[in-house]
Amino acid sequence: AQTVTQSQPEMSVQEAETVTLSCTYDTSENNYYLFWYKQPPSRQMILVIRQEAYKQQNATENRFSVNFQKAAKSFSLKISDSQLGDTAMYFCAFMRVQGGSEKLVFGKGMKLTVNP
Amino acid sequence: EAQVTQNPRYLITVTGKKLTVTCSQNMNHEYMSWYRQDPGLGLRQIYYSMNVEVTDKGDVPEGYKVSRKEKRNFPLILESPSPNQTSLYFCASSPHGPYGYTFGSGTRLTVV
Repeated sequence: AQTVTQSQPEMSVQEAETVTLSCTYDTSENNYYLFWYKQPPSRQMILVIRQEAYKQQNATENRFSVNFQKAAKSFSLKISDSQLGDTAMYFCAFMRVQGGSEKLVFGKGMKLTVNP
Repeated sequence: EAQVTQNPRYLITVTGKKLTVTCSQNMNHEYMSWYRQDPGLGLRQIYYSMNVEVTDKGDVPEGYKVSRKEKRNFPLILESPSPNQTSLYFCASSPHGPYGYTFGSGTRLTVV
């Protein structure tokens, strides 16, 4: 079974700084997908970024980028120029796509606070 | 607007009183799923459905039922709720493939 580990339960950062959220996972699969979701206080789950395991290039979405290290099974999220609106829970998630079953396995989450 | 609609948003009930949380999506997605979110545990899958009339257990199915009679709807049924089912519940949908989920806005359930 796949597992996802977010070892830092909580972090804080000053506005405009850069912060990196760590995530490791365990799988024997070679082809899979990784996601970061954001959950602000409104509790809505919002997809931040997605990475295909077969792609060596790291995904980027505006201020958000990932550092994907397949051999190390590591998938960290970097937030540049942090904004107050980035304050949220962040969840790392793993997906193995097989036979139409698109199950997302989530880590336990990490609370990020951006301070003014 | 493409969305997953969950109702109710908040629910307080008593032990043993049957309840249903509704979920509907307007994106023609094949895959739908229910998760519960608990502090320190992240999101755990309760049940999922790959298409109409096809459902299967996730990681924590005990005490829950689901049905998928229509493609757009995937209700979660608690026939005899207990206090350990107090949680935040999310419905999600996805087309087949590695696209990630669209989530509903969540249902905060309290069982007293």
